[in-house]
Amino acid sequence: AQSVTQLDSQVPVFEEAPVELRCNYSSSVSVYLFWYVQYPNQGLQLLLKYLSGSTLVESINGFEAEFNKSQTSFHLRKPSVHISDTAEYFCAVTPTGGGNKLTFGTGTQLKVEL
Amino acid sequence: KAGVTQTPRYLIKTRGQQVTLSCSPISGHRSVSWYQQTPGQGLQFLFEYFSETQRNKGNFPGRFSGRQFSNSRSEMNVSTLELGDSALYLCASSSSGGASETQYFGPGTRLLVL
Repeated sequence: AQSVTQLDSQVPVFEEAPVELRCNYSSSVSVYLFWYVQYPNQGLQLLLKYLSGSTLVESINGFEAEFNKSQTSFHLRKPSVHISDTAEYFCAVTPTGGGNKLTFGTGTQLKVEL
Repeated sequence: KAGVTQTPRYLIKTRGQQVTLSCSPISGHRSVSWYQQTPGQGLQFLFEYFSETQRNKGNFPGRFSGRQFSNSRSEMNVSTLELGDSALYLCASSSSGGASETQYFGPGTRLLVL
């Protein structure tokens, strides 16, 4: 079985400041890792994912995440946030040998203030 | 391409009733997964269907069931509703349900059980 821990339930940050959203996971098998974002009253959208290769993955809107196997972490970062980044962010994993069965963390509410 | 659509968007039911939710995947996608989102339990996997067959199942009681039609549209049914079934039910589709594939989520159906 897999589990995902997002240590921060809420992260307030000022616009243009850097942010890091933390994600740790536990699994006895190899996993793929994902970050999804949920804007108010909307479904989830994929932000980025790690499958293999370079441990640093980037999204088109400036977010990046680094897979650290030894620390079983997949933290999400952005060097300068914008008001429009206000949303809930979910880290998720799925076994590489399985199908579409995501295990999600409890989410981190990112609130960007002026 | 049209996204994942879910109907209805909002539902109010009373305890003991049953409910059916519908999901239309992105055209060409054959895998449909269902998730329940609540403030207390977060996002939890319900089940996944591929080519009209249930391929994965989460840890939910038998009151929760689903099916998939030949056109890949899916329905989920909850019988004998309980107050704790109040949640946002999200449907996601992907091309073939592989673990590395991106899942595309619909806007959800918000169910309130009174």
